[in-house]
Amino acid sequence: DSGVTQTPKHLITATGQRVTLRCSPRSGDLSVYWYQQSLDQGLQFLIQYYNGEERAKGNILERFSAQQFPDLHSELNLSSLELGDSALYFCASSPQRRGGPNSPLHFGNGTRLTVT
Amino acid sequence: GQNIDQPTEMTATEGAIVQINCTYQTSGFNGLFWYQQHAGEAPTFLSYNVLDGLEEKGRFSSFLSRSKGYSYLLLKELQMKDSASYLCAVRDRGSGYSTLTFGKGTMLLVSP
Repeated sequence: DSGVTQTPKHLITATGQRVTLRCSPRSGDLSVYWYQQSLDQGLQFLIQYYNGEERAKGNILERFSAQQFPDLHSELNLSSLELGDSALYFCASSPQRRGGPNSPLHFGNGTRLTVT
Repeated sequence: GQNIDQPTEMTATEGAIVQINCTYQTSGFNGLFWYQQHAGEAPTFLSYNVLDGLEEKGRFSSFLSRSKGYSYLLLKELQMKDSASYLCAVRDRGSGYSTLTFGKGTMLLVSP
């Protein structure tokens, strides 16, 4: 158990809809990362938050947005869903201590999104 | 940006040794990570290299050559439970303070 909690585990929805994925980082971790994993693309970095602020942005679509709250949990919002958005969405966290760039990311068990 | 290459699939026999290679191109290398991922599950951290050389951790070892942009993960005394995807990931100063860019993974199948 990595200590990173993601809900829900599974989500089935229709095209055009909007969903929210939730992540609670490990205790003490200030950074949260969102990744998308589809069969053909592997793990793709979407966005990172550190202590409530956006820190880095990857291949995140404009239809997607995220935020990190004062209690450090994070939400990933996916709107105007398309069939191609079906994937596993992982959240990861790290402490990102000063001088600690070698800290690995610890992943949650993911949310499997199916868009029909 | 980064380019990370690793073989798509490998097969090996229980008890054997297997080496999974990873090559990468990056402008501001700041560490290489190996993760193991069983189907439908979370990636789990295996090893980290930032300096050249070999890091050993039980049955798993990882090697890095920064000048060659090359790493490998060595798995010894293979067990059936080692059947999984192995992901090579690179940390780059240019892409963010601590984000990781992942290769597409090498699916390892261990047979009896």
